[in-house]
Amino acid sequence: GAVVSQHPSWVICKSGTSVKIECRSLDFQATTMFWYRQFPKQSLMLMATSNEGSKATYEQGVEKDKFLINHASLTLSTLTVTSAHPEDSSFYICSASTSGRLYNEQFFGPGTRLTVL
Amino acid sequence: RKEVEQDPGPFNVPEGATVAFNCTYSNSASQSFFWYRQDCRKEPKLLMSVYSSGNEDGRFTAQLNRASQYISLLIRDSKLSDSATYLCVASSGYSTLTFGKGTMLLVSP
Repeated sequence: GAVVSQHPSWVICKSGTSVKIECRSLDFQATTMFWYRQFPKQSLMLMATSNEGSKATYEQGVEKDKFLINHASLTLSTLTVTSAHPEDSSFYICSASTSGRLYNEQFFGPGTRLTVL
Repeated sequence: RKEVEQDPGPFNVPEGATVAFNCTYSNSASQSFFWYRQDCRKEPKLLMSVYSSGNEDGRFTAQLNRASQYISLLIRDSKLSDSATYLCVASSGYSTLTFGKGTMLLVSP
């Protein structure tokens, strides 16, 4: 099946720093990538949807200037959490899908656990 | 009202038991439905799609009732390895997935 990787798998940083998370589709071209966030005992919440070469579409309540998304190629999307604060500590998961069907299966990366001190 | 609602559990069952999870969705425009499985501190993985006619995959049976906006998952002959959180997911099409909070299953020896 399609493989999606994320890097890093976990990161601990100080408050105020920026953290970049990479999401790569390893064996297919992902026309669309999604970024989710999951707090403990909560559901995955979609943060933004990005299509290669265009600006990401952010969900209501997600600050686009704080969560910078770049989808420069069909195999790579990055999420940068700028000026991270403890409340940004969460499990960030990306997924990728290809085009061509009404429902395009999403393939999930293994997630990145962010802890902001 | 939450878009996809599930009983969070946990459901504690012995090995070999049959267990059923239910889920309701509020968006009547939802077209596709899925069950995902998520292990602790891991990403969700697709377990099965849910069709109006119902579908079965080994010990797992999923059913959809569009009129009631209700989805179910039945697990027969539970294994220890079935312990996980089961996420009910609805999609209105074109890749947008809406996840429920999940139902935790704990299978004990």
